[in-house]
Amino acid sequence: AQSVTQLDSQVPVFEEAPVELRCNYSSSVSVYLFWYVQYPNQGLQLLLKYLSGSTLVKGINGFEAEFNKSQTSFHLRKPSVHISDTAEYFCAVSNSSGGYNKLIFGAGTRLAVHP
Amino acid sequence: NAGVMQNPRHLVRRRGQEARLRCSPMKGHSHVYWYRQLPEEGLKFMVYLQKENIIDESGMPKERFSAEFPKEGPSILRIQQVVRGDSAAYFCASSPNRGSSGANVLTFGAGSRLTVL
Repeated sequence: AQSVTQLDSQVPVFEEAPVELRCNYSSSVSVYLFWYVQYPNQGLQLLLKYLSGSTLVKGINGFEAEFNKSQTSFHLRKPSVHISDTAEYFCAVSNSSGGYNKLIFGAGTRLAVHP
Repeated sequence: NAGVMQNPRHLVRRRGQEARLRCSPMKGHSHVYWYRQLPEEGLKFMVYLQKENIIDESGMPKERFSAEFPKEGPSILRIQQVVRGDSAAYFCASSPNRGSSGANVLTFGAGSRLTVL
């Protein structure tokens, strides 16, 4: 069975500071990895994904993530955050060899950017 | 392309009533997934459907919950005899067929927020 652990439930940070949101997964098979963002009372928007190839993945809004197979991690980073980045961030995993895209989500990390 | 459309966005029901949540996938998508998000929690998989078929319902509660995706029309998530614990946000996502561009990515709707009084 697959699982996702987001190590921080809340991350407070000041505007223009760098941020890292941590994500570890467990799986006995090859995986695809995703980060989604959820703004208050809205749906989920895809930030970035790792399917194959380069382990450093760049997404929207200046975010990037690095797939580390040996550490089973997929941490999300941004060098300088804005107030508008305040949201809930979800890491998710799916089975790359499965017949469909059943995503398993972490519990989420609430990023709070302060002025 | 209107994206994944869910309605209603907000639904209030009293205990014992029925809730019906609708989801129209993105144009060209034939795979639909339903997820539930309880307050202050992540998303939990409920069910995966293709047109007229339930493929994986391993996350569906055994009683009161059902889902369908008919040949014509939206996918429906139906909750009978709702209880307060059913209060949650229900999200629908869709994806195209395997082999299509974007087949490995789910596109989510804005969700339906159910409140049971």
